[in-house]
Amino acid sequence: EVQLVQSGAEVKKPGESLRISCEGSGYSFTNYWIAWVRQMPGKGLEWMGVIYPGDSNIRYNPSFQGQVTISADTSISTAYLQWSSLRASDTAMYYCARKYGDGWGDPWGQGTLVTVSS
Amino acid sequence: QTVVTQEPSLTVSPGETVTLTCASSTGAVTSDYSPSWFQQKPGQAPRALIYSTSNKHSWTPARFSGSLLGGKAALTLSGVQPEDEADYYCLLLYGGLRVFGGGTKLTVL
Repeated sequence: EVQLVQSGAEVKKPGESLRISCEGSGYSFTNYWIAWVRQMPGKGLEWMGVIYPGDSNIRYNPSFQGQVTISADTSISTAYLQWSSLRASDTAMYYCARKYGDGWGDPWGQGTLVTVSS
Repeated sequence: QTVVTQEPSLTVSPGETVTLTCASSTGAVTSDYSPSWFQQKPGQAPRALIYSTSNKHSWTPARFSGSLLGGKAALTLSGVQPEDEADYYCLLLYGGLRVFGGGTKLTVL
């Protein structure tokens, strides 16, 4: 079974750093794009960026460029989303999703809730 | 900045047919925008329904269909079921960038 399993919920203070993860299993992790998607409380989905783990090709949505870092470790089939200095406005649910063929979201991760509060 | 617009909310009765649309601030949506559609129920991760305008995933119920309609991407639900009550999002491709629409809240009454 193809799965994306994300790391658990995080509670952080403003200014702290954070890295959340998305582990792929049941398929060849290096050969499929992974996307990160943000959903702020009560709001819609936002496309943050993508990574192709095979060659670390990364594309950011301009709105998120410089705000987050996307990376991957193929040795453990895991993609990451990282912040160096969190803000309260980073409070959101974050999802990862795989691209299979021409379709995104096959599958989605279960989501990681990030709460940033002083 | 590119904006993708969906109906904020729609209400439909069980068994009816409803069409959700997805418009681009850049002009008419074509197959080049590779429209995708996703369903999200409260407290759940999104679920992919349609990709590349009209292609269904293996799990997509037959009552869901995607198309281009009047310069927009469209998602049609034929014979709406109570379990179709959810938020629906479209996703469009702009060169190397993808942008979600604001979502449509579909209520089944």
